[in-house]
Amino acid sequence: NAGVTQTPKFQVLKTGQSMTLQCAQDMNHNSMYWYRQDPGMGLRLIYYSASEGTTDKGEVPNGYNVSRLNKREFSLRLESAAPSQTSVYFCATSGGGREQYFGPGTRLTVT
Amino acid sequence: KQEVTQIPAALSVPEGENLVLNCSFTDSAIYNLQWFRQDPGKGLTSLLLIQSSQREQTSGRLNASLDKSSGRSTLYIAASQPGDSATYLCAVSNQAGTALIFGKGTTLSVSS
Repeated sequence: NAGVTQTPKFQVLKTGQSMTLQCAQDMNHNSMYWYRQDPGMGLRLIYYSASEGTTDKGEVPNGYNVSRLNKREFSLRLESAAPSQTSVYFCATSGGGREQYFGPGTRLTVT
Repeated sequence: KQEVTQIPAALSVPEGENLVLNCSFTDSAIYNLQWFRQDPGKGLTSLLLIQSSQREQTSGRLNASLDKSSGRSTLYIAASQPGDSATYLCAVSNQAGTALIFGKGTTLSVSS
């Protein structure tokens, strides 16, 4: 059981470049989430998906898009990266209103 | 809007001491509360989940309590060890299946 996996682990982008962060889970959970973690700001929700086929905006959705590809996979896309998107990105899952489980994170730097 | 506060922001204790980390939230209508541990440069590890109908949960040397009416939770760590050094995060959800709202954490340092 891998739990929640994220790729890549590290990424450096130039301003204006695009990229997709991948998240996959083998826990058979319905709900999946994308958070970002910034010093002094804590973890903030970007987007979430309560079930396959649905997505909703969180607290800081601007500059991001998401795709819930199937029950296992939830991707986060930066169409035109900006330095303000330099952060650590975490994917999480939960099932039945229970615990959330987090992936190891992607450390993104935008120069 | 739900807000979660953790005090203190940092705490240093000698090995063996019992300690309490505090978490408060502004809206008492929570669904559950979860405590996490985060080591530097790593992801979040779930420690304890307390459902809104529960008063406490225990796992090994950890005990978390919940007082919904006062909007407070505490994480008690017994007989602290240097390996307990990490940042501890408290988070609440307002409905089943919705996202967590996090506090900014308490960074714990346990010296040997």
